[in-house]
Amino acid sequence: QVQLVQSGAEVKKPGASVAVSCKALGYNFTDYYIHWVRQAPGQGLEWMGWLNPNSGDTNYAQRFQGRVTMTRATSIATAYMEFASLTSDDTAMYYCAREPRFGVVPPKFDPWGQGTLVIVSS
Amino acid sequence: EIMMTQSPATLSVSPGERVTLSCRASQSVGGNLAWYQQKPGQAPRLLIYGASTRATGISARFSGSGSGTEFTLTISSLQSEDCAVYYCQHYKNRSYTFGQGTQLEIK
Repeated sequence: QVQLVQSGAEVKKPGASVAVSCKALGYNFTDYYIHWVRQAPGQGLEWMGWLNPNSGDTNYAQRFQGRVTMTRATSIATAYMEFASLTSDDTAMYYCAREPRFGVVPPKFDPWGQGTLVIVSS
Repeated sequence: EIMMTQSPATLSVSPGERVTLSCRASQSVGGNLAWYQQKPGQAPRLLIYGASTRATGISARFSGSGSGTEFTLTISSLQSEDCAVYYCQHYKNRSYTFGQGTQLEIK
């Protein structure tokens, strides 16, 4: 069964960094992009960027460039998203999602991880 | 940056009725459009990709249409479990954008 399993909730102080992991199960990790999407409480979905697990290439949404870093460990089929210089506005649920690298018309985010709640509070 | 505008923001519909949700792009996105359903406390779920292709396991009650700048998600006969927020999403030039969502309520 294809699944993305994310790490647990985090509470961070303003100015800190957070790292969220996303473990891929049931498929070939390098055949699919991993995207990160966040959702502030009561708000809509916001795309943060993607990682190509095959090459390590990344593309970040302009508003997050300089603060977000997406990496992977192919040996354990896990993607990571590190987000720096946190403020209270970064309090949100953070999701990973996969998308095929080939053969489809993008976008196609399926499935999604269960989400990781990040709370930024002093 | 391409903006995606969904309408209406909120919709209240009786079970069994036909529902049409709209998504408009500020410039052409071709057929690069997907629709997602998000129920309270859950991650989003893919419904439609390529503007009109149903994802695996999605009920035939859901259909997508459109191209260019105007897209529609139709639910042919609303059921109570369809209560959710629906998002459209586009892709262009290595970037992705979501619409602001339509909240669908059951009367």
